[in-house]
Amino acid sequence: AQSVAQPEDQVNVAEGNPLTVKCTYSVSGNPYLFWYVQYPNRGLQFLLKYITGDNLVKGSYGFEAEFNKSQTSFHLKKPSALVSDSALYFCAVRDTISGGYNKLIFGAGTRLAVHP
Amino acid sequence: NAGVMQNPRHLVRRRGQEARLRCSPMKGHSHVYWYRQLPEEGLKFMVYLQKENIIDESGMPKERFSAEFPKEGPSILRIQQVVRGDSAAYFCASSPPAGWASYEQYFGPGTRLTVT
Repeated sequence: AQSVAQPEDQVNVAEGNPLTVKCTYSVSGNPYLFWYVQYPNRGLQFLLKYITGDNLVKGSYGFEAEFNKSQTSFHLKKPSALVSDSALYFCAVRDTISGGYNKLIFGAGTRLAVHP
Repeated sequence: NAGVMQNPRHLVRRRGQEARLRCSPMKGHSHVYWYRQLPEEGLKFMVYLQKENIIDESGMPKERFSAEFPKEGPSILRIQQVVRGDSAAYFCASSPPAGWASYEQYFGPGTRLTVT
């Protein structure tokens, strides 16, 4: 079955330190991977995607993610965390069984808390 | 260019009433996806529509739920005879027609449905 796992419910990091939010996936064929961020009572904002090409993808707000095919992972990273990065982060993968459209399968989300 | 618009933002219904959630996609987008987010969970796909057509409704409960995307006007997610378990945030996302950029989905702010 196709799925996305975010093994950490919450990640705590001090401001200025690097952060990593983990994501692993299981799909048939080539994965199309996404990261979204959700602030309280808001919709999801797109951060970045991996479709093909360079395994290191750069996105909005200084975030980047590394695609690792052998480990089926797509971890989100940022070199220096800000308090304003505190939010709920979702990893998603495009359903490869559906008929060529962009049905997304989401992980359960990881709450990132950046402390001053 | 306005983003995806959803209304109402908050909706309170008593058990047994009907809920109608509206979604206006971004200009030029002809594909609409509805997702449901239960408390403390990730988003779950419900239905995918193109103008006047339901393409995939595999994630939508067979009873009481229906969706449409008419030629003119917003997409509507309708829930009849609501129950407490329908309380959730309902997100709409849109994407442009086929092409490279269509891998991205743009999310609305969501409608938070509370059933009392």
